Amino acid sequence: DGGITQSPKYLFRKEGQNVTLSCEQNLNHDAMYWYRQDPGQGLRLIYYSQIVNDFQKGDIAEGYSVSREKKESFPLTVTSAQKNPTAFYLCASSIISNQPQHFGDGTRLSIL
Amino acid sequence: SQQGEEDPQALSIQEGENATMNCSYKTSINNLQWYRQNSGRGLVHLILIRSNEREKHSGRLRVTLDTSKKSSSLLITASRAADTASYFCATVWGGYNQGGKLIFGQGTELSVKP
Repeated sequence: DGGITQSPKYLFRKEGQNVTLSCEQNLNHDAMYWYRQDPGQGLRLIYYSQIVNDFQKGDIAEGYSVSREKKESFPLTVTSAQKNPTAFYLCASSIISNQPQHFGDGTRLSIL
Repeated sequence: SQQGEEDPQALSIQEGENATMNCSYKTSINNLQWYRQNSGRGLVHLILIRSNEREKHSGRLRVTLDTSKKSSSLLITASRAADTASYFCATVWGGYNQGGKLIFGQGTELSVKP
């Protein structure tokens, strides 16, 4: 079955540590996205990529970094510069941007 | 900000009743999409309506779009307990060559009691 896989499901970060969230899709989609969701809130865009080897900052990119070396993969690194990283992180993909997005089941990041 | 606003923030109904959720936005759009999110899960796309469409149906879902009022509504008819979830509208203001990003509203939390 085609879909998006996010791992791990739960992640804990220590002070000063960088952590990387994995996102893999086998839908052959060009566009991929990372969102942050805080309790009771909508989604805010962190980074997005319309094509391999290219990505753009979203609305809240500070303290985060991404890479898009393969079409299938779009990992997100939460750096120590992100002072409030506790949130639910969602990865999504779409055939092209502005079309319906398919979502993974998220990674919940907490601070130790 | 282009972010949409949804109301109500929370809605509680009995099984079999209809549920209506509203979404307002601020700028012109390319299309508007509705998504559903079960607790602790990712979002699932429900329906997309283009800016030149006024109404669209999919099973028990009916979506309307009024671009003059910059608003949309999602109607779920004959609701079931399994419809309990959060519902989000997302607007797309740019075409593919403009990024075509989705801007999500805050969501409506729907509870359907059996």
